[in-house]
Amino acid sequence: AQSVTQLGSHVSVSEGALVLLRCNYSSSVPPYLFWYVQYPNQGLQLLLKYTSAATLVKGINGFEAEFKKSETSFHLTKPSAHMSDAAEYFCAVSYGNNRLAFGKGNQVVVIP
Amino acid sequence: AAGVIQSPRHLIKEKRETATLKCYPIPRHDTVYWYQQGPGQDPQFLISFYEKMQSDKGSIPDRFSAQQFSDYHSELNMSSLELGDSALYFCASSSLAGFYNEQFFGPGTRLTVL
Repeated sequence: AQSVTQLGSHVSVSEGALVLLRCNYSSSVPPYLFWYVQYPNQGLQLLLKYTSAATLVKGINGFEAEFKKSETSFHLTKPSAHMSDAAEYFCAVSYGNNRLAFGKGNQVVVIP
Repeated sequence: AAGVIQSPRHLIKEKRETATLKCYPIPRHDTVYWYQQGPGQDPQFLISFYEKMQSDKGSIPDRFSAQQFSDYHSELNMSSLELGDSALYFCASSSLAGFYNEQFFGPGTRLTVL
């Protein structure tokens, strides 16, 4: 079964510091990869998605992710954290059967 | 731009009651997905429909049923509700002709079973 691993349920980062959220998938076949953000009591908003056209993907709100096949990873980064980045972030995979399988999520706390 | 609409946004039910959740996909989207997110959990896929036919089934209890109607809206029917059914239920929609079947999520229905 397809699966996604996100380490560290809670991530604290200082305002202005680098945000790094790790995501690894388990498959020999590269899946479709997504990062979603969820603000409190809200739905899931797509941050970015992996296409085979480029390994470095840029998304909304200054986030980007790099697909590394050799490491089966799709880590999410943002150079400088903002208070508004406090939210829960989910990595998700799809193998073409359309259903999304989500990781356990990272709750990001931004420290002023 | 139009988004996925879910109703109601909040629902409170007693144990053993029934609940119906509704989802209105983005216009011209042909596929609807249902996910369940328990407290502090990641969303879990329940079921999906493409062109009004069930296309995939996940960890959906037998007490739950769903369908997609001719206008592409979908309903999730939940019977004999249990305390453990308390969760946030998301609907998402996509277009098969779209980019990697990117799914657009609604705001969710928060179901509380007392």
